[in-house]
Amino acid sequence: NAGVTQTPKFRVLKTGQSMTLLCAQDMNHEYMYWYRQDPGMGLRLIHYSVGEGTTAKGEVPDGYNVSRLKKKQNFLLGLESAAPSQTSVYFCASSLGTGRWDFDGYTFGSGTRLTVV
Amino acid sequence: EDQVTQSPEALRLQEGESSSLNCSYTVSGLRGLFWYRQDPGKGPEFLFTLYSAGEEKEKERLKATLTKKESFLHITAPKPEDSATYLCAAYRDGGSQGNLIFGKGTKLSVKP
Repeated sequence: NAGVTQTPKFRVLKTGQSMTLLCAQDMNHEYMYWYRQDPGMGLRLIHYSVGEGTTAKGEVPDGYNVSRLKKKQNFLLGLESAAPSQTSVYFCASSLGTGRWDFDGYTFGSGTRLTVV
Repeated sequence: EDQVTQSPEALRLQEGESSSLNCSYTVSGLRGLFWYRQDPGKGPEFLFTLYSAGEEKEKERLKATLTKKESFLHITAPKPEDSATYLCAAYRDGGSQGNLIFGKGTKLSVKP
C-alpha cells in the first residue's frame, strides 16, 4: 500500500548542476502533479499531467521540465541548471480525473528536500 | 484572482481547549473545499471534502463546515497529537494555478 513514492528524499546540489526527481504512484491515478512548498508561500503548482505523454504548466513552471512516462504511473521533474531560488521542498501528488463525480482530493508523497548552494 | 486565505497563521491551545480554524475563499467555479493535515517533514494528508454550503463532516475531534464564503475546521477538546499544520484548498474549474488552490496553512500547537 505504497501510494505515492518520491525519490530521493534529500539532495544538495551546486548551482548549475542538474537532477531529476522521480515520482511513482500505484493507484492507477490519471492525474499527477508537482508542487513546491516554501515558508510563507504555501504549495505552488509547478507542472501537472492529465495522462501518459501529456503535461501542462502550472503557476511556477520556469526552470523545470517534466515528463510523464509511458508507464503512466511515473512522473519526472527535471532541473536542468539548478539555482539557489529552487531550494525548496518538492511534493508529488496524484488524483483521479478531476471531472469525476467521485473526485476525492489529491494523494501526496512525502516530499524531496532540495538545497541548492 | 482566485485565492484562499487561512487564519490564524499559528494557534497555540492547551489540551482540551476547543477552537476553530478559518479558511476564506474567493474562487469562481468552486467545486469543492478540501482540508489537509501536514505533519513536519511529511506530505499533506487528506482529511475532508466539502461540496456544498451547509455541509458538515466529522472525524474524531475534527469537524469541517462550509458556507458560501468560508470554511471552518472546528477542533473539540484537542490533544497534543493534533498538533500539525492544517491546509485548506479550493477545488475549481481549471486555471493557471491548477484546479486546486491552497491556502498557506494554520500551524496548530496543542500543549499538554
